[in-house]
Amino acid sequence: GQNIDQPTEMTATEGAIVQINCTYQTSGFNGLFWYQQHAGEAPTFLSYNVLDGLEEKGRFSSFLSRSKGYSYLLLKELQMKDSASYLCVAMDSNYQLIWGAGTKLIIKP
Amino acid sequence: ETGVTQTPRHLVMGMTNKKSLKCEQHLGHNAMYWYKQSAKKPLELMFVYSLEERVENNSVPSRFSPECPNSSHLFLHLHTLQPEDSALYLCASSPNRGPTYEQYFGPGTRLTVT
Repeated sequence: GQNIDQPTEMTATEGAIVQINCTYQTSGFNGLFWYQQHAGEAPTFLSYNVLDGLEEKGRFSSFLSRSKGYSYLLLKELQMKDSASYLCVAMDSNYQLIWGAGTKLIIKP
Repeated sequence: ETGVTQTPRHLVMGMTNKKSLKCEQHLGHNAMYWYKQSAKKPLELMFVYSLEERVENNSVPSRFSPECPNSSHLFLHLHTLQPEDSALYLCASSPNRGPTYEQYFGPGTRLTVT
């Protein structure tokens, strides 16, 4: 079957760095997305990786290893507003999106 | 402002009621989606429309009936729902259906079935 694994919850300190890991199993692969979802709000797009390596976008970076079925989202210089759920999403060969349940990130002062 | 609006934002309905959820996108996108989001569960894709044609229906019960009259509007008609249908219903759109296209989500409708 197809599935996504990511931690349920993580806690980090304001100003620090946190890495949210995600492993996936899909039938074929057409890329991996990360979305951010604040409580009670809609998910918003953060990143898309289809090739191996690190993509940096400001304080957020996303990494992909296709051979390992692994990705991570790296958040630097954490701010209180980064408290949210982070959703890992893989796209299979039929363009179907496989959603993870999300990692709830709690930022403490 | 994401360019995708949903109404109503909150809905409480009895199991015998009939109601409709509305989604509108102002982005000129060709694909629209309905998702169900339950607490601590992955988003469940319900329906996909591409150029106003339904291209995917993930074994959703018939008490949920989608309608896409044009590429900007999407409806989800609800009838004889069950309490376990209580969830956040999200609408999304993307330029087209396929890789690389990020989805733009609406704020969702929080549905409670009593």
